[in-house]
Amino acid sequence: DGGITQSPKYLFRKEGQNVTLSCEQNLNHDAMYWYRQDPGQGLRLIYYSQIVNDFQKGDIAEGYSVSREKKESFPLTVTSAQKNPTAFYLCASDRGRPSNQPQHFGDGTRLSIL
Amino acid sequence: QKEVEQDPGPLSVPEGAIVSLNCTYSNSAFQYFMWYRQYSRKGPELLMYTYSSGNKEDGRFTAQVDKSSKYISLFIRDSQPSDSATYLCAMSAEGGYQKVTFGTGTKLQVIP
Repeated sequence: DGGITQSPKYLFRKEGQNVTLSCEQNLNHDAMYWYRQDPGQGLRLIYYSQIVNDFQKGDIAEGYSVSREKKESFPLTVTSAQKNPTAFYLCASDRGRPSNQPQHFGDGTRLSIL
Repeated sequence: QKEVEQDPGPLSVPEGAIVSLNCTYSNSAFQYFMWYRQYSRKGPELLMYTYSSGNKEDGRFTAQVDKSSKYISLFIRDSQPSDSATYLCAMSAEGGYQKVTFGTGTKLQVIP
């Protein structure tokens, strides 16, 4: 079955540590996205990529980094510069513009501070 | 003022009731409207996707868009306990890359 796989499901970060969240899709989608979800807030866009080897900052990119070396993969690194990393992180993908098809989501990674 | 407003609930209804979930928005450029369902500790699942104004029906779900009032709705008929989840509205404009703006979600509980 086609879909988006995020791993791990739960992740704990120590002070000063960088952690990387994995996102893999087999939907043959061109565009991929990372969102952060906090209680009482809508999804906030961290980074997005419309094509391999290219990505753009979203609304809250500070303290995060990404890479897009393969069409299927869009890993997110939460760096030690992100002072409030505890959140539910969601990866999404779609066919990219100008198709205007909706985004589909993975099942998320919950990141907590030790 | 947020670009998209959605009542957070929680909304509790008895099984079999008709549920109405709503969002208002301020950006008149929005043309694409989506409803997602999100169960606890899971990612959002696309329920409905509509373009511009009008109604769209899929089984027990009906999505309505009223662009003149900047108001969208999701109706759930014959609600079931399995419908208990958080419902997110989302919308985007047309042309090029357009960011998707999400509502904060309404938590629904259907009581057996």
